[in-house]
Amino acid sequence: GNSVTQMEGPVTLSEEAFLTINCTYTATGYPSLFWYVQYPGEGLQLLLKATKADDKGSNKGFEATYRKETTSFHLEKGSVQVSDSAVYFCALSVPGAGSYQLTFGKGTKLSVIP
Amino acid sequence: DSGVTQTPKHLITATGQRVTLRCSPRSGDLSVYWYQQSLDQGLQFLIQYYNGEERAKGNILERFSAQQFPDLHSELNLSSLELGDSALYFCASSVEGDQPQHFGDGTRLSIL
Repeated sequence: GNSVTQMEGPVTLSEEAFLTINCTYTATGYPSLFWYVQYPGEGLQLLLKATKADDKGSNKGFEATYRKETTSFHLEKGSVQVSDSAVYFCALSVPGAGSYQLTFGKGTKLSVIP
Repeated sequence: DSGVTQTPKHLITATGQRVTLRCSPRSGDLSVYWYQQSLDQGLQFLIQYYNGEERAKGNILERFSAQQFPDLHSELNLSSLELGDSALYFCASSVEGDQPQHFGDGTRLSIL
């Protein structure tokens, strides 16, 4: 079956530090990969996506590259801000019979301190 | 604002009861997905509807059911509730196909 493994938190960083959250996946077929972010009390927001090998998704200074050879999609940001404090979820979807349901990792809580 | 509306935001009820969670998708979105977020299981896909018809089922219990109405809003019905059903239930919608899913803010269900 499909599964996503991401590093468990919590992760605490100082402002302007470099961020990496590791994500690896197992999937049948050719998945699309996503990073979603969840701020306290809110729903999930799509942060970035990549649909094929070697694609790089980027948004708001965050980046992740679809690495088929290592089945990975690590999230990076060069300089985090306090406003980046949230829970980050790595996810995949593999189309099957017209459904694009998401399979999520367990989430990584990031806290950025001034 | 994602454009996906879920009601109610909070629901507190007792074991054995039945509840209905409602989701209004973004305007124009035909697909509705339901997910459950719990501390022990994480985020899990429950069920998907597309334009009124069930398209895919995930880890949804037999005590749970859903439907999508002609106006495309969806309802998730949970019956014979157990303590373990306490969770955050999210609805997400998308236009169709491999398009990003937009999530509502969720309904927090607490079973006492």
